[in-house]
Amino acid sequence: DSGVTQTPKHLITATGQRVTLRCSPRSGDLSVYWYQQSLDQGLQFLIQYYNGEERAKGNILERFSAQQFPDLHSELNLSSLELGDSALYFCASSGPPRGSEKLFFGSGTQLSVL
Amino acid sequence: GQSLEQPSEVTAVEGAIVQINCTYQTSGFYGLSWYQQHDGGAPTFLSYNALDGLEETGRFSSFLSRSDSYGYLLLQELQMKDSASYFCAVRGGATNKLIFGTGTLLAVQP
Repeated sequence: DSGVTQTPKHLITATGQRVTLRCSPRSGDLSVYWYQQSLDQGLQFLIQYYNGEERAKGNILERFSAQQFPDLHSELNLSSLELGDSALYFCASSGPPRGSEKLFFGSGTQLSVL
Repeated sequence: GQSLEQPSEVTAVEGAIVQINCTYQTSGFYGLSWYQQHDGGAPTFLSYNALDGLEETGRFSSFLSRSDSYGYLLLQELQMKDSASYFCAVRGGATNKLIFGTGTLLAVQP
């Protein structure tokens, strides 16, 4: 168990809908990362937050948004869903800068858009 | 931008040694990491190299050459449970993004 909690584990929805994925980082970790993994694909970086502020942004679609709350949990919002958004979405967390190279991943949210 | 290249698949037999290479392109390089992912599971951290040379952690070792923008993961005494995908990742660029390669699927055969 990495200590990173992602909910829900599975999500099935229809095209055009909006969903929210939730992530609770390890206790004490300030950084939260979101990655998308499509079938047989690598981990595509979406966005990183550090202590509530956006730190880095990847090729995240405009239909997607995220935030990190004061209690450090994070949410990834996906709207106007398309079939191609079906993927495994991972959240990861890491500690203060000194230990920030070791990411701890949650078990992921499997999103199926039908 | 940032990019990484690694072989898509590698096959080896139990007990053998296998090396998974990774070449990268990035500005402002900070370090190279390796992660293991079993099918459908969460990636788990294996190693991190910020400086040139070899880092050893049990059966796994990781090497970095900053001048060649190259690194590798060395797995010794292969076991069936080592069958998984292995990703190299680099932090760099203007915003210190952590970017992963496309992964190498390692199949360990008896």
